[in-house]
Amino acid sequence: DAGVIQSPRHEVTEMGQEVTLRCKPISGHNSLFWYRQTMMRGLELLIYFNNNVPIDDSGMPEDRFSAKMPNASFSTLKIQPSEPRDSAVYFCASSLQRDTLAYFGPGTRLTVT
Amino acid sequence: GEDVEQSLFLSVREGDSSVINCTYTDSSSTYLYWYKQEPGAGLQLLTYIFSNMDMKQDQRLTVLLNKKDKHLSLRIADTQTGDSAIYFCAERAGTASKLTFGTGTRLQVTL
Repeated sequence: DAGVIQSPRHEVTEMGQEVTLRCKPISGHNSLFWYRQTMMRGLELLIYFNNNVPIDDSGMPEDRFSAKMPNASFSTLKIQPSEPRDSAVYFCASSLQRDTLAYFGPGTRLTVT
Repeated sequence: GEDVEQSLFLSVREGDSSVINCTYTDSSSTYLYWYKQEPGAGLQLLTYIFSNMDMKQDQRLTVLLNKKDKHLSLRIADTQTGDSAIYFCAERAGTASKLTFGTGTRLQVTL
């Protein structure tokens, strides 16, 4: 299995631009998580889905952030408009809903200038 | 709410044992995990323990859980330079799917 796939691996954009991060979970997994990692705040859960349905989006920092999961094999995290404080590494992870193990993708390093 | 805490840094000599500690607050935690993150990489699941266990061993890794004190530790025997990384403790409460992570402990292995 290829594991969790994220794209792009690196993104540099200017403030005000729209950014879309993509994730393909492990085939057969029905839970998907978006995390953000920064030096100041560590790893923060932004949102997670079970069976393509958002369950908890309380970690989404602002309305500028939105996430979708149109089908079981694809999710996006969108930031519009982006700001320099959004610079971070964004991780996607997936698991079987009732399983104990969550597997992480390699992350997308976002830099907003 | 859930809170997971770790010390920020640990330095050990190659060949020695490393012990990374973690405390958590949620008494309903069902599973506790250790993840490893190497520079520029994602999080790699190392091991996990169910809350009704007090010890789990997997090759060089030993996980100890003191549920009464809400204390979790990861012992790495015969630490190697390749073990240098940040180690995250995480807990899963009840039947929830999400994990709450600690701040991470940076392990430095010196020659």
